[in-house]
Amino acid sequence: ILNVEQSPQSLHVQEGDSTNFTCSFPSSNFYALHWYRWETAKSPEALFVMTLNGDEKKKGRISATLNTKEGYSYLYIKGSQPEDSATYLCAFNQAGTALIFGKGTTLSVSS
Amino acid sequence: DSGVTQTPKHLITATGQRVTLRCSPRSGDLSVYWYQQSLDQGLQFLIQYYNGEERAKGNILERFSAQQFPDLHSELNLSSLELGDSALYFCASSEDSSQETQYFGPGTRLLVL
Repeated sequence: ILNVEQSPQSLHVQEGDSTNFTCSFPSSNFYALHWYRWETAKSPEALFVMTLNGDEKKKGRISATLNTKEGYSYLYIKGSQPEDSATYLCAFNQAGTALIFGKGTTLSVSS
Repeated sequence: DSGVTQTPKHLITATGQRVTLRCSPRSGDLSVYWYQQSLDQGLQFLIQYYNGEERAKGNILERFSAQQFPDLHSELNLSSLELGDSALYFCASSEDSSQETQYFGPGTRLLVL
C-alpha cells in the first residue's frame, strides 16, 4: 500500500520564524510530487508540482526541494507570517496512478 | 477562486437516501477528480474522469458512482447513504494528466443523519 507521511503533524511558530516540514513517499516509480496549501474553510490551493530529482521551486517566501532517490521533499517557509497559517498537504503519484495525499502539516503562526 | 465550482455547498440528508453532487471544471480542463475528506483522514481519491471517460478509480464504494458529461461537468452519485459517508467531498480539475496541478473546488459538505 502506497503511503505518504508528513511531519510534523502540527507546528506553532512565532511571526518571523523560519520553518520547514517533511513529506516522505515511496521512492520507486516516482512520477510527481505536489504541495498544496489549505486554509480553514477554503479549498486546497496548489503551491508546487515537482517532477525531477533535485528540483527546487520557490514562490515568495515559500520554497520546496525534492529528493526522489530517497523519497522525500521539504517545504520551507522563510520569515513566517500569520497569513501563512494553514495546513500544508503533499501528494505523490506514480506513473498512471492517482495522487495519494498525506494528512498534512498544520502550521499556526502567532503575531 | 480556482475556477472550479461545486454545488451544493452543504447537504443534509438521512441514512438510506441518495444524493448527487455536481462539479464544473475550470474552462479548458478535461480531467475531473473526486476526493473525500473525512474526519481524521487525509484526502482520499475516489475517481477520475478524462474527457467523458473513467480514467482511474480509487477507494470508491460500490454505492457511489460518477460520470462526466459532454460539457465536461461531472456528477458524483452517493446512494444508500450511511452515517459514515458524512464528509467533505471535493472536486478538482486539471488540463490533462495527474502530473499537472489540480485545481480544487470549494467542496460539498455532506451530513448524513
